[in-house]
Amino acid sequence: DAGITQSPRHKVTETGTPVTLRCHQTENHRYMYWYRQDPGHGLRLIHYSYGVKDTDKGEVSDGYSVSRSKTEDFLLTLESATSSQTSVYFCAISESQSSYEQYFGPGTRLTVT
Amino acid sequence: AQSVSQHNHHVILSEAASLELGCNYSYGGTVNLFWYVQYPGQHLQLLLKYFSGDPLVKGIKGFEAEFIKSKFSFNLRKPSVQWSDTAEYFCAVNASGYSTLTFGKGTMLLVSP
Repeated sequence: DAGITQSPRHKVTETGTPVTLRCHQTENHRYMYWYRQDPGHGLRLIHYSYGVKDTDKGEVSDGYSVSRSKTEDFLLTLESATSSQTSVYFCAISESQSSYEQYFGPGTRLTVT
Repeated sequence: AQSVSQHNHHVILSEAASLELGCNYSYGGTVNLFWYVQYPGQHLQLLLKYFSGDPLVKGIKGFEAEFIKSKFSFNLRKPSVQWSDTAEYFCAVNASGYSTLTFGKGTMLLVSP
């Protein structure tokens, strides 16, 4: 398995609180991605990064921000969590764009009450 | 924009039955195609991928998929399923030259022993 860890693995938080999820890789891959997985929706891209300090929005970026200050870390922040952000969040990495596969982390289950 | 359609949300089979899961995508240019599998409680793992060449690609665990360009399809097949194939299967497409994957909504496969 690719060296990807996510923390925390489980979190329960209250509506309106800020939450930060961390993705850490040891593969030195350039591309990193944040997805959310919801029943009936599959995986939807939130944000991605194509290098240190280089990020772009995905399909469902509203309410989320990201930061990447080091190659190995990609942070996802929910500025003010809402119940609609209850989901399982997966980080993925890729060596390059286009034809290279993405490797997924173990996921973080976030519940917003 | 790319989109991916998986025709079946749930499939129930008995062991030794044959499997075919449908996947269609909408994008007129060159694409790279993937099938991922997610076993219960686990992260996504790559089953197989198509970039170019032989449209029939073989993956792990006896799975194969056929790319039919004229039909914009990339269906997943396995001649004889096992109980251990119970999982959710995701088709994904990447438009060549772009950094992101677009996933289908997934097909949950339940194999009864």
